[in-house]
Amino acid sequence: QKEVEQDPGPLSVPEGAIVSLNCTYSNSAFQYFMWYRQYSRKGPELLMYTYSSGNKEDGRFTAQVDKSSKYISLFIRDSQPSDSATYLCAMAMQSLRYSTLTFGKGTMLLVSP
Amino acid sequence: GAGVSQSPSNKVTEKGKDVELRCDPISGHTALYWYRQSLGQGLEFLIYFQGNSAPDKSGLPSDRFSAERTGGSVSTLTIQRTQQEDSAVYLCASSAPGTANEAFFGQGTRLTVV
Repeated sequence: QKEVEQDPGPLSVPEGAIVSLNCTYSNSAFQYFMWYRQYSRKGPELLMYTYSSGNKEDGRFTAQVDKSSKYISLFIRDSQPSDSATYLCAMAMQSLRYSTLTFGKGTMLLVSP
Repeated sequence: GAGVSQSPSNKVTEKGKDVELRCDPISGHTALYWYRQSLGQGLEFLIYFQGNSAPDKSGLPSDRFSAERTGGSVSTLTIQRTQQEDSAVYLCASSAPGTANEAFFGQGTRLTVV
């Protein structure tokens, strides 16, 4: 079992839809949970990060972490064609001084006008 | 600079040749990471630098891969005797002290070994 599992998609939705992207993980030592957005032929761009369990909201984006289920989600409200990209979840352990990020494989999202 | 800069953007090389990939991190970022992204795969960790030291090289796939960082800034990833399986996008990221969860990535170097 991989440490981080993420459905590769593609996930196709119409403009304005609510999108739910998810990852599961197996390592209970993960404490920081990140979502990156990656456009084609570009580097990943940090969208949001959450520490431990709970929710975090930033504009149209909401990140949720359920450590008891080892399950994290990213919700996108009022999705736009410009949201079409690959979304990568990433996780890190307790130390902020040094922690490599463990990534999911990414979910490709396509938002049609 | 304003962001993490990587060069070249694209590199095509013949099997068996050596290549050097360069990363210029954000000014003041002490941590620097190299990752590899292959088609259909997630990001694979290669090596981490803190300053000029590399406390974690555990992700380097073979002894053909090496990296160095000088002046706590620019890093070079070298692949010797390239193989076709080395074809991938090589991504560099940097983060400020104490913020390993907020890594900023460059645009990557797309390496194609023919």
